[in-house]
Amino acid sequence: GDSVTQMEGPVTLSEEAFLTINCTYTATGYPSLFWYVQYPGEGLQLLLKATKADDKGSNKGFEATYRKETTSFHLEKGSVQVSDSAVYFCALSSNFGNEKLTFGTGTRLTIIP
Amino acid sequence: NAGVTQTPKFQVLKTGQSMTLQCAQDMNHEYMSWYRQDPGMGLRLIHYSVGAGITDQGEVPNGYNVSRSTTEDFPLRLLSAAPSQTSVYFCASRTRQTSGNTIYFGEGSWLTVV
Repeated sequence: GDSVTQMEGPVTLSEEAFLTINCTYTATGYPSLFWYVQYPGEGLQLLLKATKADDKGSNKGFEATYRKETTSFHLEKGSVQVSDSAVYFCALSSNFGNEKLTFGTGTRLTIIP
Repeated sequence: NAGVTQTPKFQVLKTGQSMTLQCAQDMNHEYMSWYRQDPGMGLRLIHYSVGAGITDQGEVPNGYNVSRSTTEDFPLRLLSAAPSQTSVYFCASRTRQTSGNTIYFGEGSWLTVV
């Protein structure tokens, strides 16, 4: 079945550091890939997405590229801020119209000033 | 701009009690679902619905019931609460036409069963 393997946390970085959170997946067909972010005490919000190979999703300075050859969708940001402290979830949806999202276990990111 | 609204936000139950978590969306979305979030396990799908009158089981349906009498509402019922159901519950919805299957989440309901 579908699965998402995500870099284990927690991750602690200094402000303005470079961020990478690794995500690899196993799926049938051609999945859509997502990064969701959960700020403390809140629900999940879509951060970015990519629906086909070589697509790059981007939002709020974060980027991730859909790499079919390595089945990866790593999240990157060039210079993190304290406000980026949150839990980040990688997820996939294996078929358009399929209700089910398969999530990774989440990576807690803490940015210190 | 209500989006997906869940109530209550916090609830403490005793083992064996029943309760209903409410979920409503005002975006006319066909698809609605319930997830639970547990430490180290990401989010797992409990039940989902593709439209009014239609529901189906997800990965972890045992101990929960759902119904979908209207497009807007998708309540989740715990029939006889157990400590293993202590979790954070998220309701989500999306439209069939949404490109890339973007799903919108409520703010969560924190449930403790003692």
